[in-house]
Amino acid sequence: GESVGLHLPTLSVQEGDNSIINCAYSNSASDYFIWYKQESGKGPQFIIDIRSNMDKRQGQRVTVLLNKTVKHLSLQIAATQPGDSAVYFCAEIRYGNKLVFGAGTILRVKS
Amino acid sequence: GAVVSQHPSRVICKSGTSVKIECRSLDFQATTMFWYRQFPKQSLMLMATSNEGSKATYEQGVEKDKFLINHASLTLSTLTVTSAHPEDSSFYICSALRLAGGNQETQYFGPGTRLLVL
Repeated sequence: GESVGLHLPTLSVQEGDNSIINCAYSNSASDYFIWYKQESGKGPQFIIDIRSNMDKRQGQRVTVLLNKTVKHLSLQIAATQPGDSAVYFCAEIRYGNKLVFGAGTILRVKS
Repeated sequence: GAVVSQHPSRVICKSGTSVKIECRSLDFQATTMFWYRQFPKQSLMLMATSNEGSKATYEQGVEKDKFLINHASLTLSTLTVTSAHPEDSSFYICSALRLAGGNQETQYFGPGTRLLVL
């Protein structure tokens, strides 16, 4: 399978601040992207998705931005809470509904 | 919401033995399920696509004779790690593909199975 990165960068934020997690994808033909949250010892949990015909999508406390020109995604979490501490992965959908995951970012929320 | 379960949640086995992991979609039918492997502090890597009623398709570099996949029903896929070795120790995660309205397909993930081979 594909491998994107072998280490996880860490983002530390103060409780109540906004968090921005970034992701670069490789396939310019990808047209559907998903952000997942993974807590320790658990499977990934869907957060928000975006299609390539959009450049921004908002959910509850989360916003995803897509820049197709530079093949970049970001996840913004407003008013970050301790429960947001987890590993966050972006994923792109490939042919056959296959998900290709990015390297992931550890989010640590300091109280 | 859609629920996917895995059993067991964790397993410890001796080197050379085989281990079977089950993935079940509890409240929907899934003709397609996926198996992923995740090593510590790394991302999920797709191992294979499990298709109900047909052979699984494996990603490049994944040995099909070592990781046997059986998708015997629309709610169950099994992954058997044969002749397990310590390097097979990992977190194995499945997902099930659910068809929603408007031809939208969404993957729902199981909670994962922690395998430790001694």
